[in-house]
Amino acid sequence: SQQGEEDPQALSIQEGENATMNCSYKTSINNLQWYRQNSGRGLVHLILIRSNEREKHSGRLRVTLDTSKKSSSLLITASRAADTASYFCASQTGANNLFFGTGTRLTVIP
Amino acid sequence: EAGVAQSPRYKIIEKRQSVAFWCNPISGHATLYWYQQILGQGPKLLIQFQNNGVVDDSQLPKDRFSAERLKGVDSTLKIQPAKLEDSAVYLCASSPDRAQPGELFFGEGSRLTVL
Repeated sequence: SQQGEEDPQALSIQEGENATMNCSYKTSINNLQWYRQNSGRGLVHLILIRSNEREKHSGRLRVTLDTSKKSSSLLITASRAADTASYFCASQTGANNLFFGTGTRLTVIP
Repeated sequence: EAGVAQSPRYKIIEKRQSVAFWCNPISGHATLYWYQQILGQGPKLLIQFQNNGVVDDSQLPKDRFSAERLKGVDSTLKIQPAKLEDSAVYLCASSPDRAQPGELFFGEGSRLTVL
């Protein structure tokens, strides 16, 4: 399988705390993307980091990429109850296919 | 701008029956994808179209699954006959240009339950 792995599988934190999710992938990539999925809904794109980038920020999101280790992390700062969702990393190859990880289910407790 | 439209949202069928899902991508998007998401797992690519041509269907179980994208716009995914393990959410996504890697825009999905 070309899908990656995410760690942890589930994460529960208090509102206001930071949440960190990690992702590993298997093949060379053009970019790595993070998506969010609320229960019973489709996926929503959060952020994209290209293979020649090491860190990227977007609002309360911070993404890092280490191509030598084939890994990425997503940090959500100052979490809110509305951040409760599943988060997926997806590696995009030259053929423009997206290969998704197994996801991290984040619960933010008010 | 209208998003990716999918129907039906929910479908329950008996095993060995057939089912079809429909997707209308964002206007002007050349690339269309069908993903299968089994409960608790990440989405798995079934098929990718560029306009009305198939780019990648290597993970499509062709003995029972078929998909088409006539005229390079709408797409239909069919399962015949369905098996219990086909119970999943079928997600359609589109993107503007295969040559420019970037984000995919997803529909809300069609949830299939096979009894």
